[in-house]
Amino acid sequence: KQEVTQIPAALSVPEGENLVLNCSFTDSAIYNLQWFRQDPGKGLTSLLLIQSSQREQTSGRLNASLDKSSGRSTLYIAASQPGDSATYLCAICGGSNYKLTFGKGTLLTVNP
Amino acid sequence: DGGITQSPKYLFRKEGQNVTLSCEQNLNHDAMYWYRQDPGQGLRLIYYSQIVNDFQKGDIAEGYSVSREKKESFPLTVTSAQKNPTAFYLCASSSQTGLGEQFFGPGTRLTVL
Repeated sequence: KQEVTQIPAALSVPEGENLVLNCSFTDSAIYNLQWFRQDPGKGLTSLLLIQSSQREQTSGRLNASLDKSSGRSTLYIAASQPGDSATYLCAICGGSNYKLTFGKGTLLTVNP
Repeated sequence: DGGITQSPKYLFRKEGQNVTLSCEQNLNHDAMYWYRQDPGQGLRLIYYSQIVNDFQKGDIAEGYSVSREKKESFPLTVTSAQKNPTAFYLCASSSQTGLGEQFFGPGTRLTVL
């Protein structure tokens, strides 16, 4: 059974800092990996999707990497802003039925 | 404007009542999903449907029921058999062709009184 772990559980940084969020998974037989953002009391917003055959994806100040052999993914946020404050969730898709297994998330606070 | 809508935003239920949460999408996606989110836990899959008139149990289906009579709609009923229904419920959809990216609705917060 796939298990997804996100470290750290919470992170507080000053504005402008570059930061890395970590996601690890136990089963390397994945279809894709998605990173989401969730604001308090809201739904999830998809940030990046990395296919199994890819190593990384970039969108603006965000860069996500995938290393299947080590069971790890990272989300890099450059030049963080207070508006980046949210919970970031990593989710693994294990097959063609597109079912997702989620980590518990990292709560990010960017201080002005 | 394409997207996923969920209603109501807040729902209150008395003990012993069944309640139905609505989820509608206009993205022309074949697959739809229901997740439950509790504080300090990741999202857990309740039910999913890959095609009209077909659905499968997820990891925590006990006490819940669904139907998929239309491609656009995937309502979730929380029955009185669900012992701890207070949670945040999220609906999602994805295309069956392509990357499998899931898109989420805004959620419904259910509280049992």
